[in-house]
Amino acid sequence: AQSVTQLDSQVPVFEEAPVELRCNYSSSVSVYLFWYVQYPNQGLQLLLKYLSGSTLVKGINGFEAEFNKSQTSFHLRKPSVHISDTAEYFCAVMTTDSWGKLQFGAGTQVVVTP
Amino acid sequence: EAQVTQNPRYLITVTGKKLTVTCSQNMNHEYMSWYRQDPGLGLRQIYYSMNVEVTDKGDVPEGYKVSRKEKRNFPLILESPSPNQTSLYFCASSLRAGGGYEQYFGPGTRLTVT
Repeated sequence: AQSVTQLDSQVPVFEEAPVELRCNYSSSVSVYLFWYVQYPNQGLQLLLKYLSGSTLVKGINGFEAEFNKSQTSFHLRKPSVHISDTAEYFCAVMTTDSWGKLQFGAGTQVVVTP
Repeated sequence: EAQVTQNPRYLITVTGKKLTVTCSQNMNHEYMSWYRQDPGLGLRQIYYSMNVEVTDKGDVPEGYKVSRKEKRNFPLILESPSPNQTSLYFCASSLRAGGGYEQYFGPGTRLTVT
């Protein structure tokens, strides 16, 4: 069985500062990795995903993430955040043999202040 | 517009009164899934369906039922709701099960059971 750990439950950050959200996973088989964002009172929206190939993945709204197989991590970064990036961010893992089952982390709340 | 819709968006009910939350997608997706979101726990899968008439349990199926009679619809049924089912519920769909396909989420249904 796979599991996902998001290491920070809340990350306060100032506007225009960089942010990194940490995600570690465990799995005995190959995985696909995802980051989703949930804005207040909305559903989840895909930011980016890693399926294979280049370990640096670029997503929407200036976010990027790096897959590190040896450290079983998939950290999310943005070099300069905006107020509108205030949201909850979820890391999710799907194993290649799981037939679509997504395992989510507990979420990281990002609060951007001026 | 491609979307997943859920109804109702908000529901307050009493213990034991049967209810159904509807989910519909207009993208001809094969795979559909229900999740519940609770603070500090992220999203946990309740049931999923890989195609019409094919459903299976997720991580937290107790107290829920589903059916998939048509490709576009995947209702969630609570036959006898209890207060511990108070939660935020999301329906999601993707083109196929597995393969790393993105899941598209509905806007959520906030359920309160008193």
